[in-house]
Parts: sequence; structure tokens; C-alpha cells
Amino acid sequence: NAGVTQTPKFRILKIGQSMTLQCTQDMNHNYMYWYRQDPGMGLKLIYYSVGAGITDKGEVPNGYNVSRSTTEDFPLRLELAAPSQTSVYFCASSYSGGGTRETQYFGPGTRLLVL
Amino acid sequence: KNQVEQSPQSLIILEGKNCTLQCNYTVSPFSNLRWYKQDTGRGPVSLTIMTFSENTKSNGRYTATLDADTKQSSLHITASQLSDSASYICVVRGQTGANNLFFGTGTRLTVIP
Repeated sequence: NAGVTQTPKFRILKIGQSMTLQCTQDMNHNYMYWYRQDPGMGLKLIYYSVGAGITDKGEVPNGYNVSRSTTEDFPLRLELAAPSQTSVYFCASSYSGGGTRETQYFGPGTRLLVL
Repeated sequence: KNQVEQSPQSLIILEGKNCTLQCNYTVSPFSNLRWYKQDTGRGPVSLTIMTFSENTKSNGRYTATLDADTKQSSLHITASQLSDSASYICVVRGQTGANNLFFGTGTRLTVIP
């Protein structure tokens, strides 16, 4: 299994541009998540999904959108990029949202710089 | 307010030495506590998970302890290796559900030869 894969690894955007961060998992997990990690800060949840067709906002959803058309894929869309969105973005997946099978598996991250 | 605080922020130790990282939390209700290891430029990887009834759990040279009464956890690393250099993140789950995980800011550990 490849686990959780993310593309691209690094991207520079100009203010106002848009882009999609891709995330794919091959573990047949129901739950998928997008986090951002800023220097010196804990991971913050942007959006999550409990299954195909179901998404919900996390702690910091403004400026982002997601979709979940398949179990495997959970892309994160940035519209009108702003410098405040400069961060490292992690996608994660888990079998469940609690209990003993809730271990989250993280992708390698996408480093985004907005100038 | 649900919070997770870790100390120290950073730590430098000599290879072969032991160290202990601390995690204090105010999350309530409490479901479980997990320690993650995050290598530079990589995503976090789970080391241990502890529920309310567990007070010690080991994973090789890593031993986590939990005192649910005082809401404190520690991660003890024995006989450190250069590969232990990483950030260690404490994560506490409140209620079941994707939106009920609380992340600490991590302790950056550097092991030097």
C-alpha cells in the first residue's frame, strides 16, 4: 500500500491565484482530513469527510473548499490565494472517527508559499 | 477551553541519553491520548495511543505514561539515537468524531553525536 499520497510537494502561488491540492489514500479508509501546520503551531483542521459525498468544516475552513466524490480522493481547493494561506498542508485518513481504529495516517505534506 | 500544552518546546540531548517529554491537557471529556513522531519534512506517524484506563504503554524505546486524574502524559525515550531527532506531538481526543482532536504544538528533539 502507498498509504496517503499528496501532490504537489511544493508550490508557489501568487496572491489571487487558485489551486487544488490532491490527496489519495489506498487503505479504504472512510474518514479523510485536511490540516494545516504553521510554524510553532499545532495542526489545525480545515475540512474533513466521513465518507464519499459527505464533507464538513473544521476549525479553519475559510478560503478553502473540498469535495469527496470517491472513497480514495479528497482534494482541497484554494480560491483566491492569500499570504495567510502560506503553510504546510497535510492530508490524513483513518478507518473511523474514534475508538481503537481511529489512527490517522498522514501524507507527506504540501508546502505552499503565497507571494 | 480544550487545550494541549507540551514542554519543553525544544530539547537537545547526546546520543545514548534518555529524555522525557511532557504533555498537559485540559480536554474534557477525554477519550484517548496519542503521541506522534514527525520527522522533518514528513507527516506525523503514530507512536502510541492510550485510553483512560491505561497508564503506561511502550513501543520499543518509547514509553508513554498517562495520569488521567492530573491530565498529564509523558513520553520517555530510552538510549536515544540520531534517528530520534524529530518533533513529538501530543494529541488528545475529546468525544468521538473527526472534529474532536486537539493537537499540541510539539517538542522538537535534536539528538547529537
